[in-house]
Amino acid sequence: QQKVQQSPESLSVPEGGMASFNCTSSDRNFQYFWWYRQHSGEGPKALMSIFSDGDKKEGRFTAHLNKASLHVSLHIRDSQPSDSALYFCAASERGNYQLIWGSGTKLIIKP
Amino acid sequence: EAAVTQSPRNKVAVTGGKVTLSCNQTNNHNNMYWYRQDTGHGLRLIHYSYGAGSTEKGDIPDGYKASRPSQENFSLILELATPSQTSVYFCASGDRDREVFFGKGTRLTVV
Repeated sequence: QQKVQQSPESLSVPEGGMASFNCTSSDRNFQYFWWYRQHSGEGPKALMSIFSDGDKKEGRFTAHLNKASLHVSLHIRDSQPSDSALYFCAASERGNYQLIWGSGTKLIIKP
Repeated sequence: EAAVTQSPRNKVAVTGGKVTLSCNQTNNHNNMYWYRQDTGHGLRLIHYSYGAGSTEKGDIPDGYKASRPSQENFSLILELATPSQTSVYFCASGDRDREVFFGKGTRLTVV
């Protein structure tokens, strides 16, 4: 079983709408969580990190972490066509060099 | 911004041939990584390195070797390329508990 599971596999949202992604880990040693975004033809790029329980907001993006349930989510409000991309959740143990990656969610923003 | 440069960007190789993918980073990061990305599998770690002279096996190292001759450079070597190694390869660099920076990727086709 993958240690980091993402859902949904794909998502279609109208322009201006809210996009939401979920990620659940099976390893209680994971302390750090990241969201990365990958546009077609590019490498993944970090969107935001979250290390503490609760919400973290950066512009239109809000991440939420619940360490008790090992669940992290990402919400994009006022979605734009440029948000169409592949979104990855990644997790790591504190002090560990390796990121463990989810399988990704493909987001399509419909004009 | 942190820079990771991969070369070549595209490569067609023959089965049984040797392929070398190169990566250079100007971030002075200690850690470097090689991933492959295939539809349905997300990012899978092939090899990684903690610094010059070190290489470590990732999750799918079979059929691949790595070389880290300097802080800046990290190569991935396919001694005997096979069609199953057709994929998009990403190099990345980062430091412990911090953002990982990716290159733009190399699309490798083995015929």
